[in-house]
Amino acid sequence: DADVTQTPRNRITKTGKRIMLECSQTKGHDRMYWYRQDPGLGLRLIYYSFDVKDINKGEISDGYSVSRQAQAKFSLSLESAIPNQTALYFCATSDPRQGDTGELFFGEGSRLTVL
Amino acid sequence: AQRVTQPEKLLSVFKGAPVELKCNYSYSGSPELFWYVQYSRQRLQLLLRHISRESIKGFTADLNKGETSFHLKKPFAQEEDSAMYYCALKGGAGSYQLTFGKGTKLSVIP
Repeated sequence: DADVTQTPRNRITKTGKRIMLECSQTKGHDRMYWYRQDPGLGLRLIYYSFDVKDINKGEISDGYSVSRQAQAKFSLSLESAIPNQTALYFCATSDPRQGDTGELFFGEGSRLTVL
Repeated sequence: AQRVTQPEKLLSVFKGAPVELKCNYSYSGSPELFWYVQYSRQRLQLLLRHISRESIKGFTADLNKGETSFHLKKPFAQEEDSAMYYCALKGGAGSYQLTFGKGTKLSVIP
């Protein structure tokens, strides 16, 4: 079943550690996104990529980096994690061939806790 | 700048009662508005978009440009409607982005 898969689903780490969250998709979509969800703050865009060679900063990119290894893979890295990066992280995809309908397809989320 | 405001963090209604989840937006161009829903233990998913003018699971939403609103309505709430609802706006400087509101948690009381 075509899907958006995130790993790990849950991670607890310590301040200063490097963390990578991975996203892979079998939908064949060119566009991929990383969002962060915090209670009371909703979803905020961290980075997005329209293809392998196109990476763009979102609303809250400081402290994060990304890598688009292939059309199907988009990784989010925290080089030196800090406690206020504790959040639920979502990967999403969209398909511009569908007329840019605005529909995003989300993964199940990766819950990160930084102690 | 584009902004989406959902004034209610939590909305509790009784089963069978009408539901209205409020969404207001700020955007200088022609907006495209969406409602996304996240049920417990499920992925965030698109519920409806204003350009489709459709009713999904009994929910409707009308774009009111005069009031810059896109409220989500359902005449009779069901227990399975309990979820987190996000209003979202599409737009921005020549690139595709969705800006989400902070979300409203709907709780339908049996």
